[in-house]
Amino acid sequence: DTAVSQTPKYLVTQMGNDKSIKCEQNLGHDTMYWYKQDSKKFLKIMFSYNNKELIINETVPNRFSPKSPDKAHLNLHINSLELGDSAVYFCASSRRTSGITAYEQYFGPGTRLTVT
Amino acid sequence: AQSVAQPEDQVNVAEGNPLTVKCTYSVSGNPYLFWYVQYPNRGLQFLLKYITGDNLVKGSYGFEAEFNKSQTSFHLKKPSALVSDSALYFCAVRLEGGGNKLTFGTGTQLKVEL
Repeated sequence: DTAVSQTPKYLVTQMGNDKSIKCEQNLGHDTMYWYKQDSKKFLKIMFSYNNKELIINETVPNRFSPKSPDKAHLNLHINSLELGDSAVYFCASSRRTSGITAYEQYFGPGTRLTVT
Repeated sequence: AQSVAQPEDQVNVAEGNPLTVKCTYSVSGNPYLFWYVQYPNRGLQFLLKYITGDNLVKGSYGFEAEFNKSQTSFHLKKPSALVSDSALYFCAVRLEGGGNKLTFGTGTQLKVEL
């Protein structure tokens, strides 16, 4: 009954490879996010989707491409991986409209990506 | 641009003592403020939020935070710390009408010792 789940939990790959991370939420939320947490624990938003529509696209290399097949899923595909992409990637979801839990973001457990 | 500052990288407190983790914000409109906690190798967990209303907000695990508009602060507090409170704490701000974008502070590592 995990609320926000991500796969895989760990990902070790070589430079130049292409990889994907998957995220699913069963909270009935309409907005999903990808965050990157670097080695200093600094957390920065990358993308946000609302009902499958991209609404936030921060300054992220275009090697990163999010895809939302439906509002419960948001995947992140990364092409031509570089050493600097090594980080923990978190998926999150929230309810965009008003209500008692509005704007509260719920995070997945993270995917630790290591590029060698 | 909106931003939050957490001036302390680490806070140490003895178990049973009160704890405070500081946060100040900078936004041009009405802020929505949040506190999250991250335990080792885990995702962030929502603790509490301020949107409007009472300046003192109560959240999970006995934590509370006070919104102070004049000082642009939103410090996290707990009357009596537990060793299990040791974790990384993040303050975040969302601008009213600013979509769902949260800007996070740099985090404060809380260490509660026996």
